[in-house]
Parts: sequence; C-alpha cells; structure tokens
Amino acid sequence: KAGVTQTPRYLIKTRGQQVTLSCSPISGHRSVSWYQQTPGQGLQFLFEYFSETQRNKGNFPGRFSGRQFSNSRSEMNVSTLELGDSALYLCASSLGGTGFSYEQYFGPGTRLTVT
Amino acid sequence: AQSVAQPEDQVNVAEGNPLTVKCTYSVSGNPYLFWYVQYPNRGLQFLLKYITGDNLVKGSYGFEAEFNKSQTSFHLKKPSALVSDSALYFCAVKGSGNTPLVFGKGTRLSVIA
Repeated sequence: KAGVTQTPRYLIKTRGQQVTLSCSPISGHRSVSWYQQTPGQGLQFLFEYFSETQRNKGNFPGRFSGRQFSNSRSEMNVSTLELGDSALYLCASSLGGTGFSYEQYFGPGTRLTVT
Repeated sequence: AQSVAQPEDQVNVAEGNPLTVKCTYSVSGNPYLFWYVQYPNRGLQFLLKYITGDNLVKGSYGFEAEFNKSQTSFHLKKPSALVSDSALYFCAVKGSGNTPLVFGKGTRLSVIA
C-alpha cells in the first residue's frame, strides 16, 4: 500500500498570503489529522477529519481551516500568513475507529516558510 | 483534557547500553498510549502502542515500553542502544471516545559510539 502523501513538500510564502496544503491518506483510511511541528512547541494538534466531518479541533486561530473530501483526501488552508506560521505541517491518517485501530500513519510533511 | 509530559529534552547514551525515554500522561478514563520516532527530514514512524493487556509492550526495532497505571507512565526502553537509534522520540496519548491524539514535545535521543 502506498503511504500518506503530502504536497507540496516545501513552500515559501510571504506574510499576509494564504496557503493550501494537501494530504492523501492511505487507501481505506477515513480519518485524517493535521499537526503543526515547531522546534519550540513540538507537535501541536490542528484538527481531525473523519468521513468529511471535522471531529476534533485544536487550539489554533480561525485562520487555520481544513476540509476532507469524499475520497478521504484532505486539505488545510492558512490565511493571512504570519511569520510564526513557519513550521513543518504533518498529516496523519488512520482507519478512524477508536482504540485498537487508532494507530496513525504520518506523511513526510510540508515545510512552510513564511518571509 | 489529556496531556503528555516528556521530562527530558535530550537523552544521551553510549552504544550497547540500555536506554530509557520517559513519558507521563494525564487522561480521563483508560488511556491509549503510543510511541513514535522521527528521523531527520522524515515524518513520524509508529513504534508501539498500549491499548489493554500486558503492561510490557514490545514494538519495532527492539523497543519496548512499560505501562504503569499507578505512576501514569509509559517509558520507552531498549536493552542495547544502537547509533542508528539516534532520533526524536514522541510519546502520545488518546482518551476514550472521539478525542484527538495528543503528543508530548519530544525527546532527542543521541547514541554515542
């Protein structure tokens, strides 16, 4: 099976712009979660989608949004970029059930740099 | 709300020695616990998980973790460290129901030859 793929892998944007990141989960996985990774804060949970519905949301401002399509692919959008948004954005997919099947599989990430 | 603490930012160990990476958690109800490893410029890779059953969980690459309910800990261990084990290790916890997976801040393991 192909793993989780994320596009693009690297991105440079200017403050004030917006950006869209894409994630394709492992075939058959219905849950997609997004995380922001920075050296100082570690891995911070952004949101989780399951069957096109947002199931959980982390403590991020409304500039961060996401969606999931019927084929389970997901996108996240960040509007009005700030310098502090520079980070590695990781996507993870799982079967979506609780407990035993909750094991997540991560993509390689998208490195976003805001200048 | 659930949380995870990894009290050590960095752990150094000599090759061949046993290693321990510490993790404590806080969650309502029964916890689901995970360890992941991240190599440079890569995403996270799953190592092992505890859902229920034996307190000692065995995982990939010779790693194991011990679940201690009274101490709310889930420390990662390996009997003999390899230089190739050098990486960033994350502990994560999930509570019951539709709660998200919450990660600790990570511990950088450095195995010295």
